[in-house]
Amino acid sequence: QSVLTQPPSVSAAPGQKVTISCSGSSSNIGNNYVSWYQQLPGTAPKLLIYGDNKRPSGIPDRFSGSKSGTSATLGITGLQTGDEADYYCGTWDTSLSAGVFGGGTKLTVL
Amino acid sequence: QVQLQESGPGLVKPSETLSLTCSVSGYSISSDYFWGWIRQPPGKGLEWIGRMYHSGTAYYNPSLRSRVTMSVDTSKNKFSLKLTSVTAADTAVYYCSRGFYQAFDPWGQGTLVTVSS
Repeated sequence: QSVLTQPPSVSAAPGQKVTISCSGSSSNIGNNYVSWYQQLPGTAPKLLIYGDNKRPSGIPDRFSGSKSGTSATLGITGLQTGDEADYYCGTWDTSLSAGVFGGGTKLTVL
Repeated sequence: QVQLQESGPGLVKPSETLSLTCSVSGYSISSDYFWGWIRQPPGKGLEWIGRMYHSGTAYYNPSLRSRVTMSVDTSKNKFSLKLTSVTAADTAVYYCSRGFYQAFDPWGQGTLVTVSS
């Protein structure tokens, strides 16, 4: 059971928009930065969002991050078949003094 | 650009110690940022193992704390992971990464460690 809760799967059509939620508590999301990762099949995770809503160099602005209270959201617009992947949220948990990840969400682009 | 590469045995016997090294190129491990390990059991999600600074300050996953040790070798620009008393549940792809803003980037390609006799 992950400390952060993500939906197991989401799906949308090419060109559409999708959001992936990540729910936590005041000891993690509520008071620490959230990051998001994309893991394509057979590859290492890749950072998409850090500091709640910042994109590393090279990440297209189709990817966005937001946070409200103890929940965070990853948004992806203009969906492409190449976006099919597993997506993970992560943050620090102050109570645990450790990092935590969500269980992951599988995105299917229909 | 910074690159990380994990290395170590791909097969470890139950009850023995898993030892992995992460070689860092393109960036000094003595500079800012922290360095971390993350693992992923086959077909499952990511599990945060631990992170440490070159100063030696380390934080570990509470569920692994009694078995995990991380260390940094600034002279070789490498950092290491040791996990003792392994069981089949420790079978996973192990990733090393550089950390900042509570995030990890970039990641090594990962190395599969299988625990089996």
